[in-house]
Amino acid sequence: AQSVTQPDIHITVSEGASLELRCNYSYGATPYLFWYVQSPGQGLQLLLKYFSGDTLVQGIKGFEAEFKRSQSSFNLRKPSVHWSDAAEYFCAAPSGGGNKLTFGTGTQLKVEL
Amino acid sequence: NAGVMQNPRHLVRRRGQEARLRCSPMKGHSHVYWYRQLPEEGLKFMVYLQKENIIDESGMPKERFSAEFPKEGPSILRIQQVVRGDSAAYFCASSLDPVGKNIQYFGAGTRLSVL
Repeated sequence: AQSVTQPDIHITVSEGASLELRCNYSYGATPYLFWYVQSPGQGLQLLLKYFSGDTLVQGIKGFEAEFKRSQSSFNLRKPSVHWSDAAEYFCAAPSGGGNKLTFGTGTQLKVEL
Repeated sequence: NAGVMQNPRHLVRRRGQEARLRCSPMKGHSHVYWYRQLPEEGLKFMVYLQKENIIDESGMPKERFSAEFPKEGPSILRIQQVVRGDSAAYFCASSLDPVGKNIQYFGAGTRLSVL
């Protein structure tokens, strides 16, 4: 079955430090991939998406992600984290013929000042 | 251009009561998806609807749960005879076309608490 895995449940970084959140997928063909962010008590906001082409994609709020087929990964990165980046981050991909999104279990990011 | 609107934001029900969750998609979007987020878990797909049609309900519990998206008005997720295990955040998303290359936009969710 198609799946998306986020190995890290919690990550803590200091403000100003770099960040990398991991996402692995198991799909036969090149998948479409998304990263969403959920602030406490809020809905999900799309950070960035990968459909095809350039494997390094830029998103909002200074985030980027790199698609690596050889590693089945789509890791999210940010060079310098801000305290306002504290939130939960979800990796997702379409499944079931494209009718729905399958989400990873999420990574809770805590930013220390 | 308003985003996906969900109401109520918070809903408290006693066991055995009914819960009705409403979702108005973004303007121009005719595809609606419902997801459930249990505490400490990611989002799980429940149902996908187009106007007046249920396209995929593979994630819906077989009993007590139903969804509709009428020709006029919002999409409704209905939970009959709620139990404590139904306590969760329920998110609605909409898209211009079926997901794939098309992006799903999410509402702020309805947080259901069952006492």
